[in-house]
Amino acid sequence: DIQMTQSPSSLSASVGDRVTITCQASQDISNSLNWYQQKPGKAPKLLIYGASNLQTGVPSRFSGGGSGTDFTFTISSLQPEDIATYYCQHYDNLLRVTFGPGTKVDIK
Amino acid sequence: QVQLVESGGGVVQPGRSLRLSCATSGFTFSSYAMHWVRQAPGKGLEWVAFIWYDGSNKYYADSVKGRFTLSKDNSKNALYLQMNSLRAEDTAVYYCARDRRVGGYETLDMWGQGTMVTVSS
Repeated sequence: DIQMTQSPSSLSASVGDRVTITCQASQDISNSLNWYQQKPGKAPKLLIYGASNLQTGVPSRFSGGGSGTDFTFTISSLQPEDIATYYCQHYDNLLRVTFGPGTKVDIK
Repeated sequence: QVQLVESGGGVVQPGRSLRLSCATSGFTFSSYAMHWVRQAPGKGLEWVAFIWYDGSNKYYADSVKGRFTLSKDNSKNALYLQMNSLRAEDTAVYYCARDRRVGGYETLDMWGQGTMVTVSS
């Protein structure tokens, strides 16, 4: 089974800062990697699909990159409404879904 | 407007059963595969199960295999999760989510608000 790891597990940054989260897969997953945002008490929301494609309606300050085993998720200018936990997710060819452990983002 | 609304959660004793429902609207339910994902209190997301658009194939996480059964009623636009032999570790918020292929990639693109299941004596 493919395992997903994320780092850091949490971070604090100031409004306007550039924030980067990494996600690593235990084996090559090409660019089959999605990112979700989960605000406290809310359901997850799809932000990025296929490693680097922005879901419709998602602000352009969010971006993703990478392929193979190493991926990044970036918020170019952190806003107060971005306080959330961010999860990477892989969908394998056996139609099983694996989430990373999540990265909690706070405002400093 | 796409809507997914879970129901059926509650407090149940270990070893008992519970059936969750996910009522959907705003899209052609019969054309979409669906998932259940859960989140234990203070923990991350854990995928639970997946069912094809027509209900013909189902996949389960090892942690629930043999105890949980997923079904889909396309005539009622509803998804169900029958949970048997419940354990304390099944305590979580359970979300239903729509599977959608976006730009060639499978995603969970729409989610319900979740229903809480607490397994406790």
